[in-house]
Amino acid sequence: DAGVTQSPTHLIKTRGQQVTLRCSPISGHKSVSWYQQVLGQGPQFIFQYYEKEERGRGNFPDRFSARQFPNYSSELNVNALLLGDSALYLCASTWAGNTEAFFGQGTRLTVV
Amino acid sequence: ELKVEQNPLFLSMQEGKNYTIYCNYSTTSDRLYWYRQDPGKSLESLFVLLSNGAVKQEGRLMASLDTKARLSTLHITAAVHDLSATYFCAVDLSGGSNYKLTFGKGTLLTVNP
Repeated sequence: DAGVTQSPTHLIKTRGQQVTLRCSPISGHKSVSWYQQVLGQGPQFIFQYYEKEERGRGNFPDRFSARQFPNYSSELNVNALLLGDSALYLCASTWAGNTEAFFGQGTRLTVV
Repeated sequence: ELKVEQNPLFLSMQEGKNYTIYCNYSTTSDRLYWYRQDPGKSLESLFVLLSNGAVKQEGRLMASLDTKARLSTLHITAAVHDLSATYFCAVDLSGGSNYKLTFGKGTLLTVNP
């Protein structure tokens, strides 16, 4: 059974550009959460989606947005990239009623 | 605002020794998680602690939860080099399908031969 898959694994963007990160949850999982992990820090919660609805949002600017599709995959969009957006972006999937989150391998975003 | 504090942040220990990592959190919660992260890698789930007094063990690692003290510990017994990694604790306030974790800053563990 495939785990949580994220794409791309690495990318480099220029300041001011826009980026889209993708996540496919474990089959049967309906909830997807996004986290940002800056080097040397713990992951920080960005968004949580369940059944295609936003259920939670962390303390991130409006440049960050996300959506979940009918097949429960998700996209995270970041507009007007800043150098400080450079981080590992992690996607986690959970199954309703199961409290354990399973993380994907992450997307390493570098903004230059 | 929920705060999750881990200590120590850096831990260098010799193989064969024992040590404990502490995780304190500021708001009542009965769900706590421990994760391991190797350099450049994602998070690997180690333990899920869901009630006061919960204790779980896997190999040389044992985790416990005291919800009244708002404290969790990760005890390492007879450390080996393969345990070198960063360990995170995380607290879940939302539960069920409304899922959100707040992480500590992590403990970088280095086990020396």
